[in-house]
Amino acid sequence: GENVEQHPSTLSVQEGDSAVIKCTYSDSASNYFPWYKQELGKRPQLIIDIRSNVGEKKDQRIAVTLNKTAKHFSLHITETQPEDSAVYFCAASGGTASKLTFGTGTRLQVTL
Amino acid sequence: GAVVSQHPSWVICKSGTSVKIECRSLDFQATTMFWYRQFPKQSLMLMATSNEGSKATYEQGVEKDKFLINHASLTLSTLTVTSAHPEDSSFYICSPGQGASLNYGYTFGSGTRLTVV
Repeated sequence: GENVEQHPSTLSVQEGDSAVIKCTYSDSASNYFPWYKQELGKRPQLIIDIRSNVGEKKDQRIAVTLNKTAKHFSLHITETQPEDSAVYFCAASGGTASKLTFGTGTRLQVTL
Repeated sequence: GAVVSQHPSWVICKSGTSVKIECRSLDFQATTMFWYRQFPKQSLMLMATSNEGSKATYEQGVEKDKFLINHASLTLSTLTVTSAHPEDSSFYICSPGQGASLNYGYTFGSGTRLTVV
């Protein structure tokens, strides 16, 4: 089955700096890669996603890149703000009605 | 679109009792429902996949007789934790399968915080 690894497990950045979180996946059949932000006790919230036919996607301060050959995908957050502090999860799936396999999570702390 | 309602949001029960968690798809038909469990400071782990009108598929290590899943209709899937013990205390969350187009991405219920005392 699919295995998703995520690094780092914790990340502390100063406000205004950039944050990068990286994930690798094992199943070459995976074709959908979402990123979620989860606050304590809440459901995961989709912040951005990318499909395997696209190499990069950007939405304001957030961008995701995908390298299918290397089976890597990364989340980039620029101009970080204190409200970006949360746990972030990457995930991978084969699309359609396939299950999501989550990474282990990254606790991001943005300090003033 | 793709709204999922999950109840209860939190529950405290005594060891040995059973707890039922419901997930309802409000504006679409869910032929598949994924059930995840999240222990504190850990990731979401898939427990089982329920399919409307057929038996659920359980992930390795998940006891099917302990975690009973029912998916009797296209809008309702339930997870019953039977004979709950403190180690079952966790955050349980459902997510419907989206079908061929993935128009809505994956959505999640609001989650159920189960505490077994």
